[in-house]
Amino acid sequence: DQQVKQNSPSLSVQEGRISILNCDYTNSMFDYFLWYKKYPAEGPTFLISISSIKDKNEDGRFTVFLNKSAKHLSLHIVPSQPGDSAVYFCAAFESGGSYIPTFGRGTSLIVHP
Amino acid sequence: KAGVTQTPRYLIKTRGQQVTLSCSPISGHRSVSWYQQTPGQGLQFLFEYFSETQRNKGNFPGRFSGRQFSNSRSEMNVSTLELGDSALYLCASSLEVSGNSPLHFGNGTRLTVT
Repeated sequence: DQQVKQNSPSLSVQEGRISILNCDYTNSMFDYFLWYKKYPAEGPTFLISISSIKDKNEDGRFTVFLNKSAKHLSLHIVPSQPGDSAVYFCAAFESGGSYIPTFGRGTSLIVHP
Repeated sequence: KAGVTQTPRYLIKTRGQQVTLSCSPISGHRSVSWYQQTPGQGLQFLFEYFSETQRNKGNFPGRFSGRQFSNSRSEMNVSTLELGDSALYLCASSLEVSGNSPLHFGNGTRLTVT
């Protein structure tokens, strides 16, 4: 059973517009969430994280929102750039548990010039 | 500062063989974890090592094993390879145990089992 779900396998956005990538989780014990970006033939790179004590974290063009009651988080990229085209993975873990992140299956973002 | 280095980048093996993958973490990082990525799947956790000790193990059969050396370098071994073991194997290192600091991934080893 998938505890972290990224229900959209792909997303296509025009350059300059907002990209919104979504992630849902089922384990209410998860309290730390991360987003990773992966280019082809490269390993994932850490993008941004959020703790459950916050509902928003911002870093430049990237903002992550957390809705604990809905067990939902989203990554907003504004404005989107062609270089943002990559696969984005959402990950979650329980800080009081094993500390092993559970990853979603990823969303492939394509930003068109 | 050099990143996480995984060798080899590509491997082709036959069913029944065994394989060893290598990972050199970022200098100073003591935690190394391994993940399997297959098409359409997220990253599936294999195991994590910290200071030469296995801290956590994922839900994989005993054919998958690993170890960590005193210099934090890690190896992963898969014995009696099956076709379903074909995947991208990613190694990640972190300063402390996973979760306390972000994971830094290598570029992976692409294993093909024929």
